[in-house]
Amino acid sequence: NAGVTQTPKFRVLKTGQSMTLLCAQDMNHEYMYWYRQDPGMGLRLIHYSVGEGTTAKGEVPDGYNVSRLKKQNFLLGLESAAPSQTSVYFCASSTGRGREAFFGQGTRLTVV
Amino acid sequence: EDKVVQSPLSLVVHEGDTVTLNCSYEVTNFRSLLWYKQEKKAPTFLFMLTSSGIEKKSGRLSSILDKKELFSILNITATQTGDSAIYLCATWSGTYKYIFGTGTRLKVLA
Repeated sequence: NAGVTQTPKFRVLKTGQSMTLLCAQDMNHEYMYWYRQDPGMGLRLIHYSVGEGTTAKGEVPDGYNVSRLKKQNFLLGLESAAPSQTSVYFCASSTGRGREAFFGQGTRLTVV
Repeated sequence: EDKVVQSPLSLVVHEGDTVTLNCSYEVTNFRSLLWYKQEKKAPTFLFMLTSSGIEKKSGRLSSILDKKELFSILNITATQTGDSAIYLCATWSGTYKYIFGTGTRLKVLA
């Protein structure tokens, strides 16, 4: 029962480096989301996807790109990391239709 | 712009107390409201509410939605130290997004 799996769990980047966070779900969900969580800010939506091959911007998309080439995977890329992107990143998936979203365990990213 | 506001931001109580957490929302084409509990890692699902006035219960936790006044409350009775967590409220709308509030950080003292 893997559910939603995020890799890596921790990462330290230097300013200007790039990286990709991978989210994989095995529940055949159509909808997938990337959130970031900062102290006192709740969960803020970065990008989301309503199906394979589709992506859309959320509340805080700047500095991030995403791709959904396969239904089960949703990738979040940082092309040139900045200290302001230090955060905990959560991936989530759902069937849509207003039902609950299932979350991965999070990726703690530090940009120095 | 869709918005979810939670109050209070933080709360400290003693074991055995009852707490009420609030969530108000302004959402286009509202479909459902969800409550999550977040301890150290990923948020875990508590309740989904779609209809006004129908209480959802799970043990000492209960929640209700008022679609006319656009708010929901989460009640926890006889609190325990294990209830210490961040409680998140989120809405799902016709824009296919879950919009979260900032959360209420609850600390229960022994």
